[in-house]
Amino acid sequence: EAGVTQSPTHLIKTRGQQATLRCSPISGHTSVYWYQQALGLGLQFLLWYDEGEERNRGNFPPRFSGRQFPNYSSELNVNALELEDSALYLCASTSRSGDQPQHFGDGTRLSIL
Amino acid sequence: EDQVTQSPEALRLQEGESSSLNCSYTVSGLRGLFWYRQDPGKGPEFLFTLYSAGEEKEKERLKATLTKKESFLHITAPKPEDSATYLCAVPNSGYSTLTFGKGTMLLVSP
Repeated sequence: EAGVTQSPTHLIKTRGQQATLRCSPISGHTSVYWYQQALGLGLQFLLWYDEGEERNRGNFPPRFSGRQFPNYSSELNVNALELEDSALYLCASTSRSGDQPQHFGDGTRLSIL
Repeated sequence: EDQVTQSPEALRLQEGESSSLNCSYTVSGLRGLFWYRQDPGKGPEFLFTLYSAGEEKEKERLKATLTKKESFLHITAPKPEDSATYLCAVPNSGYSTLTFGKGTMLLVSP
């Protein structure tokens, strides 16, 4: 069974640009979660999508947004990039049953120059 | 607000030297506690779910236990390949988020 896949593996941008990160969940999983893992800060919840709808978002500005497609894959968009956006962005998926563990991809390393 | 605190922040062990990692939590009604292992440059890998106080789960050299206020990850006779950061997390009431601790970085020397 294929796990959660994320692309690209690495992304280098400059301040003010826009970044798009992609995630494909495990087959059969309908919920997709996005997390930011910045150095020294641990994993911070960004967004939760389920059945194509945004269900919840963390304490991040509106320039962090995304969507979920009919095949349950998801995109995370970050506009007007700032230096502090440099981090590992992780996607996780789970089945609709909420008490199941989230399974993670290996992330996209976003570097802002 | 849900809080998860892990200790120690870092732990260095000799191969074969058993120890425990701690995860203490403050949540309004525990709905489960998850343990993950994260290797450098990789995403967290799911290890265990614990749902109620007194529950224990085992996998190879790892055993996770749960009380009403904390969870322990016991590592018996560790090997260098057990070196990683170990994370614990709890779900919020709607399962819409996981609150993670900052992790314990474990280094096992041969």
